[in-house]
Amino acid sequence: GENVEQHPSTLSVQEGDSAVIKCTYSDSASNYFPWYKQELGKRPQLIIDIRSNVGEKKDQRIAVTLNKTAKHFSLHITETQPEDSAVYFCGQPNFGNEKLTFGTGTRLTIIP
Amino acid sequence: EAQVTQNPRYLITVTGKKLTVTCSQNMNHEYMSWYRQDPGLGLRQIYYSMNVEVTDKGDVPEGYKVSRKEKRNFPLILESPSPNQTSLYFCASSSGLAGGSVTGELFFGEGSRLTVL
Repeated sequence: GENVEQHPSTLSVQEGDSAVIKCTYSDSASNYFPWYKQELGKRPQLIIDIRSNVGEKKDQRIAVTLNKTAKHFSLHITETQPEDSAVYFCGQPNFGNEKLTFGTGTRLTIIP
Repeated sequence: EAQVTQNPRYLITVTGKKLTVTCSQNMNHEYMSWYRQDPGLGLRQIYYSMNVEVTDKGDVPEGYKVSRKEKRNFPLILESPSPNQTSLYFCASSSGLAGGSVTGELFFGEGSRLTVL
């Protein structure tokens, strides 16, 4: 199947600082790039997504940027807060076969 | 309330004893999928279904079966469970399909933690 590499696997940032998580994908036909957040003991939930016709999308303190040439997209969280502590997954739909592959996840810890 | 419901939420079983994890969604979604989550490996797709009677393998289908006889239900069957199938399982559904790809939000169930001894 198509691969999506996610880095870093763990990330600790001081409260108030910014966090960036990056995913590199292989399917050049991909046109949809979601990010999911999974709090401890809970289910993954979509927090933001982007389609290939735009380069950036923002929603309050979170943003996603897409570089189709380099085949990577990134999640940016600004002014981090304790409730941002969670595992974050990027997703890559596989064009033409309805699979949805996830990265291996980034455990983000916000240090008060 | 729109939701994806999985049962059981927790199960301890023994090697070789057939079990079924049920999944039901009330959002009339065409797309349903099963994932397993293991430490360090993220979410790996087991099987997915585009619609009734249409299922296909994900990345880790070995040892699992699924069926989609009704739009709302997508059970996961372990015919002969083994210890390496000890994991946290998530069912998910989506209405977002376009051009042969999943292009919309996946709604996840609460998860089923399975232990095979």
